[in-house]
Amino acid sequence: GEDVEQSLFLSVREGDSSVINCTYTDSSSTYLYWYKQEPGAGLQLLTYIFSNMDMKQDQRLTVLLNKKDKHLSLRIADTQTGDSAIYFCAESSNAGNNRKLIWGLGTSLAVNP
Amino acid sequence: DTGVSQDPRHKITKRGQNVTFRCDPISEHNRLYWYRQTLGQGPEFLTYFQNEAQLEKSRLLSDRFSAERPKGSFSTLEIQRTEQGDSAMYLCASSPRTENYGYTFGSGTRLTVV
Repeated sequence: GEDVEQSLFLSVREGDSSVINCTYTDSSSTYLYWYKQEPGAGLQLLTYIFSNMDMKQDQRLTVLLNKKDKHLSLRIADTQTGDSAIYFCAESSNAGNNRKLIWGLGTSLAVNP
Repeated sequence: DTGVSQDPRHKITKRGQNVTFRCDPISEHNRLYWYRQTLGQGPEFLTYFQNEAQLEKSRLLSDRFSAERPKGSFSTLEIQRTEQGDSAMYLCASSPRTENYGYTFGSGTRLTVV
């Protein structure tokens, strides 16, 4: 079946790099996404990667995809207190044709000054 | 276009009452999704529309839940005879035909059933 797993908590110091990891099971997923959710707010798309890519960089964000191991990571360089939030990994399911997203439980990132 | 709008932001209702939520997607997006999120969980898929057609409905959606998208624009999600277990954040998202760029989510409607 489809499943996405993430570690639940990560704590870093301001200015350090954060690495959030995710594993997924659906090898046919075409797109993998990272979303950010701040307290009481909706989900904000941070970045995505197509399954035939290994890496994508977007300013302070670097996404690495190991398709063989079905492992996805999000690296945030120079982490700031404003980066404190829950980060969700999601894969685009190929079941049917609706492209629904299968979500992890989210990683709560705490950035300490 | 200011993104996906959801109304209301918060709703408190007594058990047994009916509630209706509204979602206005990004105007050029033909796909619309409803998700539900409870504390400490990721969003769970509820239902999906392509234009006005409801193409999939999750098993999570009991007969008390119904969703419509009558003209392929805005959508409504109605919950009849609410139960305390329905308390959650209800999220709407839209996407264009090609979902390459992900889904744009609204801020959600937080439902509390007392």
